[in-house]
Amino acid sequence: DIQMTQSPASLSASLGETISIECRASEDIYSNLAWYQQKSGKSPQLLIYAANRLQDGVPSRFSGSGSGTQYSLKISGMQPEDEGDYFCLQGSKFPPTFGGGTKLELK
Amino acid sequence: QIQLVQSGPELKKPGESVKISCKASGYTFTDYAMHWVKQAPGKGLKWMGWINTYTGKPTYADDFKGRFVFSLEASASTANLQISNLKNEDTATYFCARLRRVFYYFDYWGQGVMVTVSS
Repeated sequence: DIQMTQSPASLSASLGETISIECRASEDIYSNLAWYQQKSGKSPQLLIYAANRLQDGVPSRFSGSGSGTQYSLKISGMQPEDEGDYFCLQGSKFPPTFGGGTKLELK
Repeated sequence: QIQLVQSGPELKKPGESVKISCKASGYTFTDYAMHWVKQAPGKGLKWMGWINTYTGKPTYADDFKGRFVFSLEASASTANLQISNLKNEDTATYFCARLRRVFYYFDYWGQGVMVTVSS
């Protein structure tokens, strides 16, 4: 199985701060990488797919980048509603595997 | 609009069985595979497997072979997850999710079903 190593595990950001979350795959996943936000008690919401494509309706302060084994999610200007857990998902090879998650809090 | 609506929370005793449903609407049910994902309390997401909504063939992740059964009620656009001989470690939220075949990601998720196993 492809292992997805996500960092950091937790992050505290100030209002308006730009933050990045990283996911590293154990092998090349050819940009088959998605990012999700999950609020407490809710289902994951798709933010980014294909490494850098913004899902419809997601604010433009979210962006994704990367290739090969290294990918990142950037939030340009932290907002209160951005608090939550963030996960990456690789779909390059079965089984699909998730990163361990990042808990993002507002400082 | 596209929706996956799951059944309600369950409280079960060890050794009992539970059946969770996931009703799809807003798209052609048989055009997309349905996947199941487990999230234990305070933990990350774990893929359980999937069911081909056209053929009904299930595929299970290694950790979910034996006590877990995926099934369909295709006429009702519904996918089901049944767990038998429940154990304490089955306490979790179970999500159904639709897979997009291009770039392979889950684009729609059910709201999740919390299953609590406690004596």
